[in-house]
Amino acid sequence: GENVEQHPSTLSVQEGDSAVIKCTYSDSASNYFPWYKQELGKRPQLIIDIRSNVGEKKDQRIAVTLNKTAKHFSLHITETQPEDSAVYFCAANTGRRALTFGSGTRLQVQP
Amino acid sequence: EAGVVQSPRYKIIEKKQPVAFWCNPISGHNTLYWYLQNLGQGPELLIRYENEEAVDDSQLPKDRFSAERLKGVDSTLKIQPAELGDSAVYLCASSQAGGGATGELFFGEGSRLTVL
Repeated sequence: GENVEQHPSTLSVQEGDSAVIKCTYSDSASNYFPWYKQELGKRPQLIIDIRSNVGEKKDQRIAVTLNKTAKHFSLHITETQPEDSAVYFCAANTGRRALTFGSGTRLQVQP
Repeated sequence: EAGVVQSPRYKIIEKKQPVAFWCNPISGHNTLYWYLQNLGQGPELLIRYENEEAVDDSQLPKDRFSAERLKGVDSTLKIQPAELGDSAVYLCASSQAGGGATGELFFGEGSRLTVL
């Protein structure tokens, strides 16, 4: 089955700096790669996603890149703000028509 | 529009006791998922429903876990008997038909279970 590995597990940055979270996946048939943000005690919420037919997607301060050959994708957050502090999960779809999630990255933005 | 609703939000029980969690998905979402989230980990799929049919329950520990989705709307996840290792957050999610693998999953707030 699909295996999604995510790193780092924790990331601390200063406000205004950039943050990068990386994920690798194993199933070459995966074609959908979303990122979810989960604030403490809250539900995971989709922040951005990318499909296999594009290599990069941006939404304001957030961008995701995909390298299908290497089977990895990354989340980039620029000009980080304290409200970006949360746990971020990457995911990839599988032949089971469901998502397999990474183990999460706890991002702490220091003001 | 209301999101995915789960209850109870918190449940504390002693081991070997039964427990049940309820989920009401977003109206019109045919696909419903139950995910397990252990502390510090990502959600892990337990079961997926397409309407009232459980189309993928391969990760559901069937000796103690059961689920149902009568009439293809609300769903219930039951554990009987509960074990210490079942302490976790049980997340329900829904999506448009089959969309959870290629589109947005909408999660509920989760039901946090503590087994003593």
